[in-house]
Amino acid sequence: GQSLEQPSEVTAVEGAIVQINCTYQTSGFYGLSWYQQHDGGAPTFLSYNALDGLEETGRFSSFLSRSDSYGYLLLQELQMKDSASYFCAVSTDSWGKLQFGAGTQVVVTP
Amino acid sequence: DTGVSQNPRHKITKRGQNVTFRCDPISEHNRLYWYRQTLGQGPEFLTYFQNEAQLEKSRLLSDRFSAERPKGSFSTLEIQRTEQGDSAMYLCASSRGGSGNSPLHFGNGTRLTVT
Repeated sequence: GQSLEQPSEVTAVEGAIVQINCTYQTSGFYGLSWYQQHDGGAPTFLSYNALDGLEETGRFSSFLSRSDSYGYLLLQELQMKDSASYFCAVSTDSWGKLQFGAGTQVVVTP
Repeated sequence: DTGVSQNPRHKITKRGQNVTFRCDPISEHNRLYWYRQTLGQGPEFLTYFQNEAQLEKSRLLSDRFSAERPKGSFSTLEIQRTEQGDSAMYLCASSRGGSGNSPLHFGNGTRLTVT
């Protein structure tokens, strides 16, 4: 079957570093994306990896290992506004169709 | 860039009624996607369009669900004979398409409650 596994919740203090892991098993793979969703809001795009390695975008970095069917999102210098749900999503075709994980709720405490 | 617009924001309906939602994508985006999201879960793929052509409809979707995108602009999602299990947030997204990654831009969704 197809699945994306990620932790359900992570708690950390302001200024800390958080890593959210994602393992996937899908019928097609064109890339791994990460989306952020605040309560009551729309998912917003954070990053995308099509090839192995690390992509850095400001405080956020994303990593992919295609051979291990594994990726992670790294949140650095955590801020209170980073409290949200984070979803990994696999592009399963060339048309941009995404299969999402169940999401990881990140709780940032003072 | 005015963003993806969805209407209505909320819809309460009685079981057995039909409902229709509308999505207006970002104007230069030729791909449009519908997803459904329930509490504590990630968005679940329903269907998507390249311009006016419907590319795929999820096998999980019953025949009560239908989507259209006439003229490749706005899209509508209709649910016939609603059931309580249809209660969810219905999200629309659009993207530029083309080669490589084109991020999905989501609207704020339509929350459906079936009583």
